Amino acid sequence: DGGITQSPKYLFRKEGQNVTLSCEQNLNHDAMYWYRQDPGQGLRLIYYSQIVNDFQKGDIAEGYSVSREKKESFPLTVTSAQKNPTAFYLCASSKAIRNQPQHFGDGTRLSIL
Amino acid sequence: QKEVEQDPGPLSVPEGAIVSLNCTYSNSAFQYFMWYRQYSRKGPELLMYTYSSGNKEDGRFTAQVDKSSKYISLFIRDSQPSDSATYLCAMIGPAGGTSYGKLTFGQGTILTVHP
Repeated sequence: DGGITQSPKYLFRKEGQNVTLSCEQNLNHDAMYWYRQDPGQGLRLIYYSQIVNDFQKGDIAEGYSVSREKKESFPLTVTSAQKNPTAFYLCASSKAIRNQPQHFGDGTRLSIL
Repeated sequence: QKEVEQDPGPLSVPEGAIVSLNCTYSNSAFQYFMWYRQYSRKGPELLMYTYSSGNKEDGRFTAQVDKSSKYISLFIRDSQPSDSATYLCAMIGPAGGTSYGKLTFGQGTILTVHP
């Protein structure tokens, strides 16, 4: 079955530590996205990528980094510079960057130890 | 003022009821409209994707778009306990220049259908 796989499902970060969230898709989609979901704030865009080796900052990119070395993969690193990282992180993909619905993975919940 | 407004609820209805979920928006440039369903601790699942004003039906779900009033709705007929979830509306703006047509979400409405 085609879809988006996010791992791990739950992740804990210690102070000063960088952590990386995995996102893999087998939908052959060109565009991929990372969102952060907090209670009462909806989904906020962190980074997006139109194509391999290209990515752009979203609305809340500070304290995060990404890479897009393969079409199928778009990992997100939450760095120690992100002072409030506790949230539900969602990865999404779409056929193209414009005017296409996005399909989501089942998320990673990140908490601080 | 937020670009997309959605009543967070919570909304509680008996099984079999017709449910109406609504969003209003301020940006007349929004062109494409979506409804997502999100179960607890899961990612959003695409339910409906529409472009033009009017109605689109898929099984028990009907999406309605009124661009003149900047208002979209999702109707659920014969609601079931399995419909209990958070429903998110989302909209795509125009693509042009450096803008790719970002997806803008409503806050989500929490729906509970009780037996």
